[in-house]
Amino acid sequence: ETGVTQSPTHLIKTRGQQVTLRCSSQSGHNTVSWYQQALGQGPQFIFQYYREEENGRGNFPPRFSGLQFPNYSSELNVNALELDDSALYLCASSLDFGSYEQYFGPGTRLTVT
Amino acid sequence: RKEVEQDPGPFNVPEGATVAFNCTYSNSASQSFFWYRQDCRKEPKLLMSVYSSGNEDGRFTAQLNRASQYISLLIRDSKLSDSATYLCVVNTRSGGGADGLTFGKGTHLIIQP
Repeated sequence: ETGVTQSPTHLIKTRGQQVTLRCSSQSGHNTVSWYQQALGQGPQFIFQYYREEENGRGNFPPRFSGLQFPNYSSELNVNALELDDSALYLCASSLDFGSYEQYFGPGTRLTVT
Repeated sequence: RKEVEQDPGPFNVPEGATVAFNCTYSNSASQSFFWYRQDCRKEPKLLMSVYSSGNEDGRFTAQLNRASQYISLLIRDSKLSDSATYLCVVNTRSGGGADGLTFGKGTHLIIQP
């Protein structure tokens, strides 16, 4: 196992609501990235956090936001949920911000109804 | 042309057979290449990096063809436990870390007894 943990495992929300997902990185890793994986698709990069600052962002609207804490854990917040936000949300940690090797957590499966 | 393209399959292969699949990428400046494995409803896990000279890890061999812009994964003596989706990952942008990566949609492999 990678040592990356995520909570909750599953979540059901209603359109328009807000959600917060949490991630703890692998020991020794200071960079956390978030991905959205829709059914039948590869993971899509949302953003990356390094030293508590956003350090790269994919093609996602501002209602997707995040935080990184001093212990390198991270949160993903999504406001004004839409039906298309239903997906598996994956957190990955890496040794440093420039490292390509991603170590994924088990993911949070979000369903928006 | 898509940044990273894979044949989604499924590839149905008898146990013990050899199977190979490719992944094409569009950015000729890409330098880093990876194969990840993802089991059904689980997180992706790094299978192997792909080096310019090609590399082997047990039954798995990865190769890079820069001229034709594709990478390949060969699995020899396939086992039932090899059944999974194999994701091709390429750095398609110069952004550091996850920001520079693009995941393919994956190739679904089914090993049949």
